[in-house]
Amino acid sequence: DAKTTQPPSMDCAEGRAANLPCNHSTISGNEYVYWYRQIHSQGPQYIIHGLKNNETNEMASLIITEDRKSSTLILPHATLRDTAVYYCIVRVVGGSARQLTFGSGTQLTVLP
Amino acid sequence: NAGVTQTPKFRVLKTGQSMTLLCAQDMNHEYMYWYRQDPGMGLRLIHYSVGEGTTAKGEVPDGYNVSRLKKQNFLLGLESAAPSQTSVYFCASSSWTSGSLSGANVLTFGAGSRLTVL
Repeated sequence: DAKTTQPPSMDCAEGRAANLPCNHSTISGNEYVYWYRQIHSQGPQYIIHGLKNNETNEMASLIITEDRKSSTLILPHATLRDTAVYYCIVRVVGGSARQLTFGSGTQLTVLP
Repeated sequence: NAGVTQTPKFRVLKTGQSMTLLCAQDMNHEYMYWYRQDPGMGLRLIHYSVGEGTTAKGEVPDGYNVSRLKKQNFLLGLESAAPSQTSVYFCASSSWTSGSLSGANVLTFGAGSRLTVL
């Protein structure tokens, strides 16, 4: 799986959009980008994933650059409850199941 | 719809004692996983299963055993607990969905089991 790089921490004002970047410059053509988050002491929660098109669901939007070497997770109106560690994971699909590797992620703090 | 349920939520053991953590999912998922998370660190995969009756080692399998006798349950056992196994344990499950192979990497996690070994 391609390696990902995320900033260790970010702050965002409540009500503003939170834009979390992820670099995955070695991503291959059959690898998807997945985002999870982990609120303190809770189990990780799946947010969104995509291959090359931008994706949106009720939680967030995922913007993937045309060359797929980076992506941005957007929380359009951040709330205090969005304070969490956000993990960007690149993973191939198909074949046998193997582990998802959760790196260090980005600690997002939403400030009142 | 309970999703993934882990029991117990908290447990304190003495060194050398044994115990089993139970994970149950009601989503008919094929894949199940056990992760551990130490303070300030990311998740590390202990063991996983791709179906009933099958198990495989993950990144940190030593000191643990697992069983998947029923599709909905995945048990994690510690035969002789050590202080190094003090951690929070998370179970997760996922599923292949016809027409959506990427769904296998969409994991649903349990709330965690906090284990302390003295």
